[in-house]
Amino acid sequence: NAGVTQTPKFRILKIGQSMTLQCAQDMNHNYMYWYRQDPGMGLKLIYYSVGAGITDKGEVPNGYNVSRSTTEDFPLRLELAAPSQTSVYFCASSYSPSTNEKLFFGSGTQLSVL
Amino acid sequence: GQQLNQSPQSMFIQEGEDVSMNCTSSSIFNTWLWYKQDPGEGPVLLIALYKAGELTSNGRLTAQFGITRKDSFLNISASIPSDVGIYFCAGQPLQVYGQNFVFGPGTRLSVLP
Repeated sequence: NAGVTQTPKFRILKIGQSMTLQCAQDMNHNYMYWYRQDPGMGLKLIYYSVGAGITDKGEVPNGYNVSRSTTEDFPLRLELAAPSQTSVYFCASSYSPSTNEKLFFGSGTQLSVL
Repeated sequence: GQQLNQSPQSMFIQEGEDVSMNCTSSSIFNTWLWYKQDPGEGPVLLIALYKAGELTSNGRLTAQFGITRKDSFLNISASIPSDVGIYFCAGQPLQVYGQNFVFGPGTRLSVLP
């Protein structure tokens, strides 16, 4: 059981370039999330999705876009990369939003924008 | 937005020592989760707590859901080198479910042989 799979593991972008971070889960989870992790800070929610075709903004959505065409996949798009987007990005999923559910994380994507 | 505070920010201990860390919030939480993150990896769930006062163990780890519902504690007994990593608390605020887990900044643990 692969769980939550993120690609790529590392990426370096130039300012203004675009890229898509891939995330897939094989646990049939309804809820999927994108977080960013900056040094010394807690994880910040970028976007989340409650099911295929439904997405919503989190705490720090500016500069990012998402889509959820299938239950399994939740890609994160950076259209015009900026140095402020240098961070480690984590995708996570959970089955439902109930209080008894837990988040399962991918292994992360380390992104540097130079 | 909601914020969690974790203390200490970092700690250096000798192998075999016990470790205590805590997480506090200014508001009431439904759920407390404790995660460990190894370098280059995503956070892995250690313990989940769902009721005020709940005390749950996972091997050498014990966590408690504070009575006030505004804090949680994690203890590690008889530390070993593989305990090294960053420990994050995460909470689910009372009024909001599912997507709005709030994460603390982490406690970085180093275990000296």
